[in-house]
Amino acid sequence: QQQVKQSPQSLIVQKGGISIINCAYENTAFDYFPWYQQFPGKGPALLIAIRPDVSEKKEGRFTISFNKSAKQFSLHIMDSQPGDSATYFCAASIRTGANNLFFGTGTRLTVIP
Amino acid sequence: EAQVTQNPRYLITVTGKKLTVTCSQNMNHEYMSWYRQDPGLGLRQIYYSMNVEVTDKGDVPEGYKVSRKEKRNFPLILESPSPNQTSLYFCASSFAGIRYEQYFGPGTRLTVT
Repeated sequence: QQQVKQSPQSLIVQKGGISIINCAYENTAFDYFPWYQQFPGKGPALLIAIRPDVSEKKEGRFTISFNKSAKQFSLHIMDSQPGDSATYFCAASIRTGANNLFFGTGTRLTVIP
Repeated sequence: EAQVTQNPRYLITVTGKKLTVTCSQNMNHEYMSWYRQDPGLGLRQIYYSMNVEVTDKGDVPEGYKVSRKEKRNFPLILESPSPNQTSLYFCASSFAGIRYEQYFGPGTRLTVT
């Protein structure tokens, strides 16, 4: 059972465009929602994270939007660049307990020059 | 340099031949974890460790073993590998209180024939 549902599976965007990746969850015990970025041949790396008491968090061209009532959150990449081409994973974390970081299935983003 | 290292990076083996994938971190992290990454399934947790001598099962523990005798090391053991364990494996670590921020190793691609 997938705790975090992610879409789309793949995404192709023109350079300069906006990339949007969506995720949804059911477990209201989740208390942190990180996004990880993975380049080919590398391990995932934390990109940006948000707490559920915040509706939006922005770091440079990357923005997380969070809708607590809908149990959905999304990653927006503004002015997408070819260097952003990677696989993006959303995740949800529970601070208490041990097995506490649940990943979505990933979105492969390709930014075309 | 703060990092998580894994060895080997690539491994081809035959069914039933015991193998160990090593993982080491130099960040004094309490929490360590193993994931497998499969297309369309994202990252799934195999085992995790809260600290030395404390380990527990993740979502997909069948066919794997772990040990945590030292804080920095967390080896993954496949005592009798099978073809369905062909996958990309990642070790990760974090501070116990910030487990949404995990640091991943470079990955080990395992093929079992």
